[in-house]
Amino acid sequence: QKEVEQDPGPLSVPEGAIVSLNCTYSNSAFQYFMWYRQYSRKGPELLMYTYSSGNKEDGRFTAQVDKSSKYISLFIRDSQPSDSATYLCAMSAQGGSEKLVFGKGTKLTVNP
Amino acid sequence: GAVVSQHPSWVICKSGTSVKIECRSLDFQATTMFWYRQFPKQSLMLMATSNEGSKATYEQGVEKDKFLINHASLTLSTLTVTSAHPEDSSFYICSASRDAYEQYFGPGTRLTVT
Repeated sequence: QKEVEQDPGPLSVPEGAIVSLNCTYSNSAFQYFMWYRQYSRKGPELLMYTYSSGNKEDGRFTAQVDKSSKYISLFIRDSQPSDSATYLCAMSAQGGSEKLVFGKGTKLTVNP
Repeated sequence: GAVVSQHPSWVICKSGTSVKIECRSLDFQATTMFWYRQFPKQSLMLMATSNEGSKATYEQGVEKDKFLINHASLTLSTLTVTSAHPEDSSFYICSASRDAYEQYFGPGTRLTVT
């Protein structure tokens, strides 16, 4: 079993839809959870950062962490064509100064 | 703030030659820098972790003599791919961390070995 599992998609939605992206993990030591957005041939851009369990909201983005289920989610409300990208979940046990374990990434296309 | 740059953004080299990629944190001092490689439609694979002034820590399966990492200062790390071969063609991405919380990624360097 891989440490982090993420459905690679692709996922295609109409503009304005609510998008749900998910990852599961097996290492119970993970405490820091991140979502990155990566456009084609670019480096990842940090979207959301969450410590331990709970929800975090930033504009149209909401990150949820359920440590009991080892499951994290990213919700995008009112999705826009500019949200079309690959979304990577990442996590670590000790924060940013430690190596991150990434999911494979989910490719999202928002159609106008 | 927290901008990381990489140079070059794209490089083509002949098989057997060496290529150096630079990673700079432009507006902060990075206590730790990381080097990843990413194959098409794959996720990022960590190659090594480096701290300023000390030897890099390589991940299992990564040849330290082939991928030389030098973390010369708190704002600069370099990755040298020695005796490059076509199978080394990939997207190389660095990241930098200034505290215990976040890593900031560079824009990546596309290496093509012919």
